[in-house]
Parts: sequence; C-alpha cells; structure tokens
Amino acid sequence: QKEVEQDPGPLSVPEGAIVSLNCTYSNSAFQYFMWYRQYSRKGPELLMYTYSSGNKEDGRFTAQVDKSSKYISLFIRDSQPSDSATYLCAMRGGGNTDKLIFGTGTRLQVFP
Amino acid sequence: KAGVTQTPRYLIKTRGQQVTLSCSPISGHRSVSWYQQTPGQGLQFLFEYFSETQRNKGNFPGRFSGRQFSNSRSEMNVSTLELGDSALYLCASRDTLNTEAFFGQGTRLTVV
Repeated sequence: QKEVEQDPGPLSVPEGAIVSLNCTYSNSAFQYFMWYRQYSRKGPELLMYTYSSGNKEDGRFTAQVDKSSKYISLFIRDSQPSDSATYLCAMRGGGNTDKLIFGTGTRLQVFP
Repeated sequence: KAGVTQTPRYLIKTRGQQVTLSCSPISGHRSVSWYQQTPGQGLQFLFEYFSETQRNKGNFPGRFSGRQFSNSRSEMNVSTLELGDSALYLCASRDTLNTEAFFGQGTRLTVV
C-alpha cells in the first residue's frame, strides 16, 4: 500500500464548477501538507501548504486537512480552463528533513 | 527573486553514459532536494542536501549521486545510464525558516 493515495482521474468539469481533489495517507507522522499544480512539461508550482487540521483559503483555492481521518482536500471554486493541469498532493513529517511524499497526481480538465 | 534554475532543460544520452544535472536554488535557500518523475512511479525522492551535507537519501541505486557546493548550488550525477533512467529530474529548494519547497522546471533526460 502506498503511503499517499490519490485518484489519478482524469477529472473533466465545465468552467465555473467547484472542483474537489482528495488524498488519503497512512503515515500519522506527516505534519505538513501541500498541494502543487503541474502543467505539462513544467515543474510543480506550489499552490497551498498547511500544517494543522482545518481549512486554509487563498483566493479560489481552499485546502482542508483532517488528521484524524488522514485525509486532505483541495477545493477550487469557479474553475477556469487555465486550471487544467495535474494536481499533486504532497506531505512530509516534522524533523530535519525536506523529503516530500507525493500522491500520483490528479489530472484536471476544465472545459469552456 | 529568481526561482529555482535547472540546467540543462533537455538532455539525450546513450545507455552506459553518465550525466550531470545542475540546480541553482532560490537565493538564500540552503536546502536542496532532488526528485525523479516518471509516468509510472510519479515523483520519487532522490536525496536532499543542506550546507553541503547529504541529509537524506531515497531508495535509488548507487549510480545516482549528488553534491552541494558552498554557494548552495547542487549537482546530481547518474552513471552507467539505463533506459529506465529516462525521466524528468526536478530540484526543489527551501528556506529553513519556512516549510514550502519550490521546484525548478526540471531537466528532461532521455536515454536511448
């Protein structure tokens, strides 16, 4: 079983829809949670990062962490065609390491 | 501030050859990590460096190695290339005061 599970999609939604992306994890040592967006042939771009359980909002994006259920989500409101990309969840434990464990990524397509 | 810079962007090598990839972190960032991204395995951690010391290493064969210089720039080397080493190699840097890791655009290595 992988430490981080993410539905690969693809997920296809109409412009303006609310998108929900999710990851589950098994390692209770994870403390930091991130969402990255990756366009084709580009490096991952950091969208959101959170530390504690709860919600964090930034513009059209909301990240949600539920440590008790080992479940994280990213919500995209008013989705745009420019949001079409692969979304990767990533997480790491505390301590003296930068090692990130990634989900496989969910491919999102927003059509006009 | 300039982002994480990786060179070269594209590389084609023959089986058995060796290759060196370069990463310049964001100015002031002392921590550098390397990842391999393939369609089958996703993003996998290779190793991380902090202040010229390897702090952590992923589950890759000894053909994969790296180093970090006093100016925080990092290189990774792959010797005796195999077809399966074809991948996007990504470098990330982090400011030790924050939890976010920022990625470069990657080096796409093709082994023929």
